[in-house]
Amino acid sequence: QKEVEQNSGPLSVPEGAIASLNCTYSDRGSQSFFWYRQYSGKSPELIMSIYSNGDKEDGRFTAQLNKASQYVSLLIRDSQPSDSATYLCAVIRSQGGKLIFGQGTELSVKP
Amino acid sequence: KAGVTQTPRYLIKTRGQQVTLSCSPISGHRSVSWYQQTPGQGLQFLFEYFSETQRNKGNFPGRFSGRQFSNSRSEMNVSTLELGDSALYLCASSSGRNNEKLFFGSGTQLSVL
Repeated sequence: QKEVEQNSGPLSVPEGAIASLNCTYSDRGSQSFFWYRQYSGKSPELIMSIYSNGDKEDGRFTAQLNKASQYVSLLIRDSQPSDSATYLCAVIRSQGGKLIFGQGTELSVKP
Repeated sequence: KAGVTQTPRYLIKTRGQQVTLSCSPISGHRSVSWYQQTPGQGLQFLFEYFSETQRNKGNFPGRFSGRQFSNSRSEMNVSTLELGDSALYLCASSSGRNNEKLFFGSGTQLSVL
């Protein structure tokens, strides 16, 4: 079992729709969770961080965390073609503090 | 503020050779992490340095090594290159407190022929 798992996609949504990206993790002791966005040919950039159960909103982005289910998600409201990218879920291990990434989910927003 | 700088941008090597990649972190950042990115495996953690000490290490063979200098600049070395080492090598810096907010460089694309 991979430490951080995501559906690789591609996930295709029409412009204006809600894109839902999901991630599960295996380390029950993890406390810090992140979403990075990586455009094709570019480096990952941090877009959201979440540490407590529940929702955290930032503009069109909402991160959701459920530690009991070991589940993190990212919702993108009013999706735009410019949101088309690979979204990487990352988790800090409880032992040692390494930041471990999932495989990433490729999102395509169609005009 | 200048971002994370990685050099060189592209490298072509042959099997058996060795290679050294360089990373200059954002000014004031003391932590440098290295990742290998391939289409099949995604982003895999290599190691992290903080104040010239290796703080974490991933599951890579001993052919992969690194170091950090007193100015926080870091180098990564891969010896006896194999075809499977072809990948994008990304360096990321952070303040070092908890590996939060990693800032990535543009990466070094290594091709092993």
